[in-house]
Amino acid sequence: DVKVTQSSRYLVKRTGEKVFLECVQDMDHENMFWYRQDPGLGLRLIYFSYDVKMKEKGDIPEGYSVSREKKERFSLILESASTNQTSMYLCASSLPPPRNTEAFFGQGTRLTVV
Amino acid sequence: AQKITQTQPGMFVQEKEAVTLDCTYDTSDQSYGLFWYKQPSSGEMIFLIYQGSYDEQNATEGRYSLNFQKARKSANLVISASQLGDSAMYFCAMREALYGGATNKLIFGTGTLLAVQP
Repeated sequence: DVKVTQSSRYLVKRTGEKVFLECVQDMDHENMFWYRQDPGLGLRLIYFSYDVKMKEKGDIPEGYSVSREKKERFSLILESASTNQTSMYLCASSLPPPRNTEAFFGQGTRLTVV
Repeated sequence: AQKITQTQPGMFVQEKEAVTLDCTYDTSDQSYGLFWYKQPSSGEMIFLIYQGSYDEQNATEGRYSLNFQKARKSANLVISASQLGDSAMYFCAMREALYGGATNKLIFGTGTLLAVQP
């Protein structure tokens, strides 16, 4: 079974801290995604990586950066955490199209910035 | 730009009845894929069904079927014989440029919360 693992289920950080959210997948997927989920807003794409060291901005990249040094690992970085970044963060991975492009998700990280 | 719209924030359905969850999309691409995911209260994202833009038949997976109307750009999810365990948030999603490029993002709608009543 495909497994996508996020390093933390719950995280509490202080305003201004640099925050790292880690995601690891074990199926050799080229594509990896970071989303944030907020009530009423659904899943919004923050960043997308289509290969090692390759990334593309999603719909809400401001305040975030990403790193993909190895194929299996995709990190989301909050350079200076703010309270409006309190949210559920979901990582996903998939094969690239046109192969079966179903995305597999991690369990999510609920981040609270105080 | 690609966009997914789910206009039903919440719905009720009686157990054993069928329910349709609406999804419309916007894209200028000819090749794209449409997905439905289920998110129960536990938070996990569960893939339900996939429809490719060139697929001539509507996709079906058990009690789930996708009513794909390409000209209207709609991809509604139909759940037949609803069960209590179907109570969850449902998300419609899309990927563009299935045959054309590396940078094909997967984007989601805002979701529909389905409550199945006994």
